[in-house]
Amino acid sequence: TQLLEQSPQFLSIQEGENLTVYCNSSSVFSSLQWYRQEPGEGPVLLVTVVTGGEVKKLKRLTFQFGDARKDSSLHITAAQPGDTGLYLCAGSNAGGTSYGKLTFGQGTILTVHP
Amino acid sequence: NAGVTQTPKFQVLKTGQSMTLQCAQDMNHEYMSWYRQDPGMGLRLIHYSVGAGITDQGEVPNGYNVSRSTTEDFPLRLLSAAPSQTSVYFCASSYMATLNTEAFFGQGTRLTVV
Repeated sequence: TQLLEQSPQFLSIQEGENLTVYCNSSSVFSSLQWYRQEPGEGPVLLVTVVTGGEVKKLKRLTFQFGDARKDSSLHITAAQPGDTGLYLCAGSNAGGTSYGKLTFGQGTILTVHP
Repeated sequence: NAGVTQTPKFQVLKTGQSMTLQCAQDMNHEYMSWYRQDPGMGLRLIHYSVGAGITDQGEVPNGYNVSRSTTEDFPLRLLSAAPSQTSVYFCASSYMATLNTEAFFGQGTRLTVV
């Protein structure tokens, strides 16, 4: 069974601060996704990274996939109250029926105070 | 654009009762899955399906049944509800063909078993 350890579980910061969320595994994944979930809603995809060492930017959010494809990070610059939510990493593997099968981390609850 | 539709949004059951959570998608996705979300545990895969007539177990299948008679629908049945099944349930769908596939989630069903 592949596991993803996400840290920290909770983050409470002031508007304008920077933060990083980590997602680590002892297993290799073919791709790593980050989702954001708001209360009462389902998760929504932010980004997918598929190449070891890959860095993707989405406005103030920077996503990185580790060289060995076992870990990933999400960095938010100058956090805003609108960034508040639950952030989830999810890994998947290629091949056969595995494409759609996601393994999720425990999630990071981010609260950004004005 | 309906996407993934789950019903009901809220449900209270008594221990031992049975019920079916409904999930329908209108994106012609091959892959559909059911997850449960509990505090501090991310999303855990219950059952999944790679196409009509094909289902398989995920990480936590006990106490749940599924069927996939059409591409669009993937209902989840609780055979005899237990308090341990109190959770938020999410249905998701995606294309299977690519590594970058995005999972689209419904809004969830909050189930309480008393």
